[in-house]
Amino acid sequence: DSGVTQTPKHLITATGQRVTLRCSPRSGDLSVYWYQQSLDQGLQFLIQYYNGEERAKGNILERFSAQQFPDLHSELNLSSLELGDSALYFCASSPDSYIQYFGAGTRLSVL
Amino acid sequence: AQSVTQLGSHVSVSEGALVLLRCNYSSSVPPYLFWYVQYPNQGLQLLLKYTTGATLVKGINGFEAEFKKSETSFHLTKPSAHMSDAAEYFCAVSDGQGGKLIFGQGTELSVKP
Repeated sequence: DSGVTQTPKHLITATGQRVTLRCSPRSGDLSVYWYQQSLDQGLQFLIQYYNGEERAKGNILERFSAQQFPDLHSELNLSSLELGDSALYFCASSPDSYIQYFGAGTRLSVL
Repeated sequence: AQSVTQLGSHVSVSEGALVLLRCNYSSSVPPYLFWYVQYPNQGLQLLLKYTTGATLVKGINGFEAEFKKSETSFHLTKPSAHMSDAAEYFCAVSDGQGGKLIFGQGTELSVKP
């Protein structure tokens, strides 16, 4: 168990809908990262937060947004969902800016 | 810019045989290198890491990797494969400054009895 908790584990929704994925980092970790894993793109970095502030952005679509709250948990919001958004979404947290510990992921299926 | 190339999307070995998973990287700054393992329907688990110092690093479950700067490689090895090693393995690089991990495409390891 990495100590990073992601909910829900599975999410099935329809095109055009909006969903929220939640991540609770390891106790004390200030950095949270979001990644998307898909068959065609592999593991891609989406966005990073550090202590509530956005630190870096990767290949994140404009339809996607994230935030980190004062208690350090983070949420990834995906809107106007398309079939191609079906993927496994991982959250990771870091205590020291180089080792990242991953949650079990949220599997999103868009039908 | 940084990138990672894993040679071989699928590797099959017999139980007890040597495991060798290849990873080459490209980095304009001193790299921090990682191997992660993903078991079916699970998240990514850190196997081992190279930051600075000793170039031969040992990880969990009997795995080790050697950082070779001249060859820009960070290959993962295990002397004797076990059935429980069957999983997907990812090599990753970062700049060590708290930034993102850049992953290779992954290598699926199969272990035959």
